[in-house]
Formats: sequence, structure tokens, C-alpha cells
Amino acid sequence: DVKVTQSSRYLVKRTGEKVFLECVQDMDHENMFWYRQDPGLGLRLIYFSYDVKMKEKGDIPEGYSVSREKKERFSLILESASTNQTSMYLCASSLVQIYGYTFGSGTRLTVV
Amino acid sequence: QQQVKQSPQSLIVQKGGIPIINCAYENTAFDYFPWYQQFPGKGPALLIAIRPDVSEKKEGRFTISFNKSAKQFSLHIMDSQPGDSATYFCAANQAGTALIFGKGTTLSVSS
Repeated sequence: DVKVTQSSRYLVKRTGEKVFLECVQDMDHENMFWYRQDPGLGLRLIYFSYDVKMKEKGDIPEGYSVSREKKERFSLILESASTNQTSMYLCASSLVQIYGYTFGSGTRLTVV
Repeated sequence: QQQVKQSPQSLIVQKGGIPIINCAYENTAFDYFPWYQQFPGKGPALLIAIRPDVSEKKEGRFTISFNKSAKQFSLHIMDSQPGDSATYFCAANQAGTALIFGKGTTLSVSS
């Protein structure tokens, strides 16, 4: 089975800090995604990548950036964390559309 | 603009009941409609998916019904069990784009 591993399960950061969320997948998937999940709002797409060094903005990219230097790793960066970025962050990867996405277990980020 | 609208937000059924979760979409270019199941503390997992060339798909106790003209699709869970208690998300996309998710439905199946 494909495994998507998010480096931290829980993270607490201070306002203004630069935050890195790491995601690694082990099945050579081309596509990787970052979503945030908030109660009542579902999953909202932040950024996605279809290839190494390639990135596309999702619906809510403001305040975030991403890095994909290697195929298996997709990092989400909060340039200057703010309290409204407190959320559950989910990374996913996929090979082709019909096989769906494989999600990691998520990183619950709290910004204080 | 929310492109996939999901209802209800929460649902409580008794064991053996048939919960139904509905989704509506706006973009007629969408050609893939999956449902994901999420348990507390876990990421969502693909449950079942359908393409618009069929009107129904069954996998075990889970059935997707698809109405292309109405731009709606729904998830039915037959003989629901307490272990089905989870949050369910519908989603949609077209090839080459990322999935757009509904806001989720929290299902509770009482024993």
C-alpha cells in the first residue's frame, strides 16, 4: 500500500514564525497535494504539484508556499504563521485520477 | 464559490438503517466523483468512486447513485453498522485538476 507520511502529528508555533510541514510518499506518485481541514469547511486545496519543481496554487494559497525538490517530498511552508492558520493540514498523493488520493494522517498545527 | 455542495452536515441513524448523503456539483466538465471516509485521527480514505457514464455503482454495502442531468450524486450505506460512524466527503474533478471536496457529513450509527 502507498504510504504518505507527514513528519509531525501535532505542532505548536508562535505567531510570526516560519513553519515547515513535511510530507513524504513512498510509491513514486507524480501528484502531490496540500489541503487544510477546518470544521464545517471541509477540505480546501492550498497547493498542488504534478511534477518535481512544479507547483500550482489551489483555492487558498495566501500565506503559504510550497517546495518540491524531489518527487517523493512535498513541503508546505507558512512564511509567517498567523493564528488564522491554526488548522489540520493534510497531504495527499496520487498516481492517476481513477486510483484516487492517498492521504497522510495529518498535522494539527496550532499557532499561538 | 463552492463547486461541490454536500448535505446534510450531520446524520444519525440506527444500526441497520440506510443513511443517504447527497452532493451537487456545478461544473459539467467534472468526470470523476469519489467518496472519502474519514475516522477520527486519520486522513480521509477513498471509499468508492463513479464516472458519469454510469448511473449507479455498488461496492459491498456502499452504493453511489449518479444523476448527470441534475448534476447530483449520492452515497447510500446499506445495513449501516456502528463501525460506519465517520465523516464522509464527496468530491469531484476533471482529469488534470485537483479534487474539490464537499464540506463533509458526520455520520453516527447507534447500536
